[in-house]
Amino acid sequence: GNSVTQMEGPVTLSEEAFLTINCTYTATGYPSLFWYVQYPGEGLQLLLKATKADDKGSNKGFEATYRKETTSFHLEKGSVQVSDSAVYFCALTPFQGAQKLVFGQGTRLTINP
Amino acid sequence: EADIYQTPRYLVIGTGKKITLECSQTMGHDKMYWYQQDPGMELHLIHYSYGVNSTEKGDLSSESTVSRIRTEHFPLTLESARPSHTSQYLCASSEHRGDIYEQYFGPGTRLTVT
Repeated sequence: GNSVTQMEGPVTLSEEAFLTINCTYTATGYPSLFWYVQYPGEGLQLLLKATKADDKGSNKGFEATYRKETTSFHLEKGSVQVSDSAVYFCALTPFQGAQKLVFGQGTRLTINP
Repeated sequence: EADIYQTPRYLVIGTGKKITLECSQTMGHDKMYWYQQDPGMELHLIHYSYGVNSTEKGDLSSESTVSRIRTEHFPLTLESARPSHTSQYLCASSEHRGDIYEQYFGPGTRLTVT
């Protein structure tokens, strides 16, 4: 089947620290991969995406590379800010054109000043 | 940018009441979704629709029902609310961009059943 496993949280870092949130997936087809972010009291926003192996998605200083050999899509940011505090979800659609997302369990990130 | 609206944002209601959570989008998207988000943050798809008069149950069984009479409107109804229905409900719609469908989420309705 199709599934996404994320790094257990919560994660607490100091401002300007380096961030990695691990995400691995299982898929029967050739999935597209996503990171969504949920700020307090809000819905989810698409942060970045990658549709094929070795693609790198990037946005707002965050990056993730689609690694087919390790079935991973780890989220990274070189220097986090307090405003990055949120819940981060890794997700996939199992094949191109698929319309339903499969989400990981979410990782809560808190950045302290 | 997609505009998707949910009302109410917060609702506290007693057991046995009938409630309807509203979801509207102004982008003309055919595909819409309802998710239930538990306190542990995990998201579960409970309903989806691929167009007017099309509704399907999602991966998590839910006592709620949905309707899709108009493209822009996808309300969710609970006939008799129970404390076990206490949760955050997120509505989303999606559009085809390149070779993938991107989902856009509303701000959510936080439901508490007492």
